[in-house]
Parts: sequence; structure tokens; C-alpha cells
Amino acid sequence: DTAVSQTPKYLVTQMGNDKSIKCEQNLGHDTMYWYKQDSKKFLKIMFSYNNKELIINETVPNRFSPKSPDKAHLNLHINSLELGDSAVYFCASREGLGSGANVLTFGAGSRLTVL
Amino acid sequence: GQNIDQPTEMTATEGAIVQINCTYQTSGFNGLFWYQQHAGEAPTFLSYNVLDGLEEKGRFSSFLSRSKGYSYLLLKELQMKDSASYLCAVRDYTNAGKSTFGDGTTLTVKP
Repeated sequence: DTAVSQTPKYLVTQMGNDKSIKCEQNLGHDTMYWYKQDSKKFLKIMFSYNNKELIINETVPNRFSPKSPDKAHLNLHINSLELGDSAVYFCASREGLGSGANVLTFGAGSRLTVL
Repeated sequence: GQNIDQPTEMTATEGAIVQINCTYQTSGFNGLFWYQQHAGEAPTFLSYNVLDGLEEKGRFSSFLSRSKGYSYLLLKELQMKDSASYLCAVRDYTNAGKSTFGDGTTLTVKP
């Protein structure tokens, strides 16, 4: 069973469209994250939820809206897509808020290409 | 905030030893992690340090000096499959346990 699964794996769309990426984890973790990795491989945190509560919200355009219906799911909706949104979006989860050796477990990534 | 620096690229020979350095500045240090990321794949956990000293896991070791804001990842007996990007990440207890990643070091292992 995949621990952190994201769908879709690939997404190609036109500028101005709205799209969503879904993430589910079956590890029983309390905290989930969205990271963005651009073409230069920089991995930047976007959002984090702990037990459905938003706890980290980096400087991200408000076109990006995360939603956590329960602690096992964290979805990302993007409105009015722009060329600069093209990247690989990684979902990750961690047990607790981050203490001890609790590590991030990443999904396989969703590669978004905006044309 | 956090500032994490790593070399952008390194090259080493199969069978050799390579050390990848990471320096950081953070207001609420609560652990340093190393992740490995092969091209087109997700990052995977390699090692964790929260106290000063060396942590060894097989061919990989990681060292931490909190007073110097410095860590390194040591890879021994390099294999071709070790060619990957190595990401240093620092966790900050003042910001909901956020982990901030360095820009990664791309290691190329040559025969």
C-alpha cells in the first residue's frame, strides 16, 4: 500500500484554468504538507495542516487554496493558473508537529505544466 | 527565518568518500535532516541529528555542530546509484515544527 498518494501524477493545462491536486496518507499521521519544487529543484513549503487545522501558510498567492476534510487528506486547489505555477507539487506527512526523529514521508509528486 | 546553504554540485568517483556540507541559521533549531532525491522521484529520509556529534547508518553518516550551525553528510564507498540530489532540512520549533530545505546538492558519481 502506498503511504502517501497523490493524484494526478501529471497535469497539463492552459493558463487561466482552475485545477486540483489530491493527497491521501494511510500512515495515521497528524500533520500534512504541500511543498513546491520548481525547475531549479528548490523545495519550498507552501502549507501545513495539523488535524485539519491550518498551521503553516507561507507567502503563497491566494489563488492557491488548501483544504483538509480530515487528517488523512489534504487537497490543493489552484485558481487562474499562471505559467510560473509549473512545478512538481509534493504532498508530505509527518507524525505529530515535528519532534524527535519524526520524518517527512513524501508522495511521488504531481507534475503540473501550465501552457 | 532560516537560511540554509549547501554546495550546488559535487562530483566524486565510485568507491570514494564524499562529504556534503550544510550551514544554517535559525531562531529555533529543533533538528536537522538529510534527504536523498533521485531525479524524477520524491525525497526520501536518510538521517537525523538533533544533538552534536556523528550519527552513522551504514555507508552514510551525518554530523552536527549546533554552535557552528553546521552539518555534513558523509557517503562512503560510493556507488553509481548514489548519484542524486541531497537535501539538508532544518526544523524550527518556533514555527509549528516547519522543516525548511536547502537548495540541495547534486552529486554525480563517476566510474
